[in-house]
Amino acid sequence: SQQGEEDPQALSIQEGENATMNCSYKTSINNLQWYRQNSGRGLVHLILIRSNEREKHSGRLRVTLDTSKKSSSLLITASRAADTASYFCATSEVGGGKLIFGQGTELSVKP
Amino acid sequence: DTGVSQDPRHKITKRGQNVTFRCDPISEHNRLYWYRQTLGQGPEFLTYFQNEAQLEKSRLLSDRFSAERPKGSFSTLEIQRTEQGDSAMYLCASSLPTGINLEAFFGQGTRLTVV
Repeated sequence: SQQGEEDPQALSIQEGENATMNCSYKTSINNLQWYRQNSGRGLVHLILIRSNEREKHSGRLRVTLDTSKKSSSLLITASRAADTASYFCATSEVGGGKLIFGQGTELSVKP
Repeated sequence: DTGVSQDPRHKITKRGQNVTFRCDPISEHNRLYWYRQTLGQGPEFLTYFQNEAQLEKSRLLSDRFSAERPKGSFSTLEIQRTEQGDSAMYLCASSLPTGINLEAFFGQGTRLTVV
């Protein structure tokens, strides 16, 4: 079963707006990662945040992690039509060796 | 291309037939993962290897599914007696086991359709 719950399931915004996606998880983790998937394609790693980190930036991406609430958010600033994709959070559990994915947020950025 | 390679990209098979998929990981990666993904869902963990050792297998995985990584390089995933419910995208990923913070690199997937 999946660990992560993502919110919203779908998000539609205009180009230039910011997009925020949230992820909640259930167990203690080593890290949380965000991946992007274009329709019918494989997943592409975006960013990894360790359990002892609270915020991380990469280009237009900003990720936060709140381990007390077992939640994370991904912010994409100044969105572009090319950002249209599904976004998944994935957790690496303490003592585990695999990534467990959430259900994903389908982002649509309209030009 | 030095990324994760999966073959075939698409497979259509009749119910009851066996199918085998192949995954070639990034050469220096000794961890290899298999996931299954259905439309609108996140990837569901199936199994993973470190070198040739299969370290974990999902409890949800039917005994019709078997995976191997005989020489610690490429891996195969076989599904026996396929059922329509096996129709999905099968994703392979690889990573380095450097500490506990692993970035996984995914292949393009094999889309299986069971008719």
